[in-house]
Amino acid sequence: GAVVSQHPSWVICKSGTSVKIECRSLDFQATTMFWYRQFPKQSLMLMATSNEGSKATYEQGVEKDKFLINHASLTLSTLTVTSAHPEDSSFYICSARPGRSGQPQHFGDGTRLSIL
Amino acid sequence: AQSVTQLGSHVSVSEGALVLLRCNYSSSVPPYLFWYVQYPNQGLQLLLKYTTGATLVKGINGFEAEFKKSETSFHLTKPSAHMSDAAEYFCAVSDSYNTDKLIFGTGTRLQVFP
Repeated sequence: GAVVSQHPSWVICKSGTSVKIECRSLDFQATTMFWYRQFPKQSLMLMATSNEGSKATYEQGVEKDKFLINHASLTLSTLTVTSAHPEDSSFYICSARPGRSGQPQHFGDGTRLSIL
Repeated sequence: AQSVTQLGSHVSVSEGALVLLRCNYSSSVPPYLFWYVQYPNQGLQLLLKYTTGATLVKGINGFEAEFKKSETSFHLTKPSAHMSDAAEYFCAVSDSYNTDKLIFGTGTRLQVFP
């Protein structure tokens, strides 16, 4: 149980394009989802927290106009990297939390984004 | 503010040997502590967690960790390493008032030699 699916797993695109990454909770409802960024050989950094039906809360230093987050349903959150540039290349991981605060987060398999 | 320090970015052990991955935390409030494992090009899988109660926590795949408040540590151990344990391991902390905010350590890559 508690499976989180992330799509696509790998994307390569040209500089200036926008890329959408989907995060789905397959067998539970996730009122809260999280988006992380991981640079090579480094740890995960929380980018934003999204709650279903409301605006995402971004961490300090994360551009909300650059990284658009939508959490339109209890099983789907999307991260759109707008006008992507090479410095946006990274491994993006989502997680979802079932139920109330205090429950562990369940992570997707990540999306490797490469901007040429 | 909370922080996590994982001593040793790389740990190598022989198959069958003891695995010890170190994690020290800093928190001004009672912490919740987690260990996650990450295989290449995959997300994170929860190994075990400590919230309250018993300080020795058992997780999946034979791993366990002990919360030592006096040492601010939460080291991960496994009595006998298996080749399939080779992966990146992350220690994380959140506080009991905002359990959604996970602060991760920089990770320890475990290599297991035959």
